[in-house]
Parts: sequence; C-alpha cells; structure tokens
Amino acid sequence: SQQGEEDPQALSIQEGENATMNCSYKTSINNLQWYRQNSGRGLVHLILIRSNEREKHSGRLRVTLDTSKKSSSLLITASRTADTASYFCATDFGGATNKLIFGTGTLLAVQP
Amino acid sequence: EAQVTQNPRYLITVTGKKLTVTCSQNMNHEYMSWYRQDPGLGLRQIYYSMNVEVTDKGDVPEGYKVSRKEKRNFPLILESPSPNQTSLYFCASSFSGETQYFGPGTRLLVL
Repeated sequence: SQQGEEDPQALSIQEGENATMNCSYKTSINNLQWYRQNSGRGLVHLILIRSNEREKHSGRLRVTLDTSKKSSSLLITASRTADTASYFCATDFGGATNKLIFGTGTLLAVQP
Repeated sequence: EAQVTQNPRYLITVTGKKLTVTCSQNMNHEYMSWYRQDPGLGLRQIYYSMNVEVTDKGDVPEGYKVSRKEKRNFPLILESPSPNQTSLYFCASSFSGETQYFGPGTRLLVL
C-alpha cells in the first residue's frame, strides 16, 4: 500500500487565502518531500524536510513534520491562481533504491 | 538549461509491438528512475539505476526493461506492451538520491 496519503483529496479556495494540505505516512522515513504537478505535466520539487527537522520555509511555503504522528503539512500562504495544481508528498526511506513513495495527491484549485 | 527530457511525449501503439521511451538528463546525475502514474494510484517506481550498468527493480517492474549504458541516458523498454501498461510515464534523475528532477512525461496508450 502507499506510504503517503494526502488530505484533503481536493481543495478549492479564493485567491489570497491560505491552503493547507496534510500528508500521513506509515513507517520511519529519512526525509519527506513535497512536489507540485500542473495538469498532467512533470512534477516539480518544492521542498524537502529531513526527519530531524520540524519546520521549514521556502517563500510562501511552510512545511511541518511530526515524526511522532507520522504526518506532515504543507501550507501555501497568500495563494495565487498560478498555484492551481496537484500537490504530492513523497517519503524517502533513504538507502540505495532512490525510491520515493508518493501519495495520491491533493488537487488545489485557486479561484480568482 | 538543466533538464530531463523524454521522447516521445505521446505514443499510441498496439498490443505486442515493442517500443522504447528515451530519457536523458544533462545534470550529470548518478541516480535515475522510471515511474508510472495512474489515477487513484499516484506514482509508482518501475526501475531505478544508481549508476552506469547498475539497475534494479522498483515496485512494478513486470513487463518493462531498462538499460544504463551511459550516465545521461536511461531508456525504458516495453518488449510486448499490453493495455494495462497504458499510463503516464515519468523519468527522474537526482544527484544524491534525494531531490528528484522529473521529465515532462510520456503519455502511452496501448490498444
């Protein structure tokens, strides 16, 4: 079964509002990453948070990680219509496999 | 420009007709992977490679082959495609095995 599960599956907000997406996973991880995908296109890396970090910021993005609850959240502040996309969390166990386990994603729609 | 390229971007084929999807990266990355993306299932790793001539199976390798003869190239081969291989395929590369850079995707339809 998949390691990461995002919540909610879909989210619609107005431009300027904040968007929060959550990700839960099942086993210990090396790091957790968030990616964005615009409608059927390639995934773009947004941010990586390591297992020993609790919070990380990048521009309008804020990611938190709670390893005790095996969960992470992605907050996008002051959303823009260009933020409309699917957002995926991906967990990395480390090691040699170079494998990321992706969740099924949150579809974010930012309305003008 | 640093990028991962895939060709073709769209492909319609028939069952049993061998095909190859090429992947190339210009970032001198050691790690490369292939994923497929299906509705409701997210992305799943097909094969990965840690370096030239080093490849291994991911989660869904059945029906696929790969090779890594050069560092920059990692083609995906479907020897005898079947309809259940209709999917959106992504190649990805990374330097450290962490942050991955994805190609634009190849949408495959097998009739």
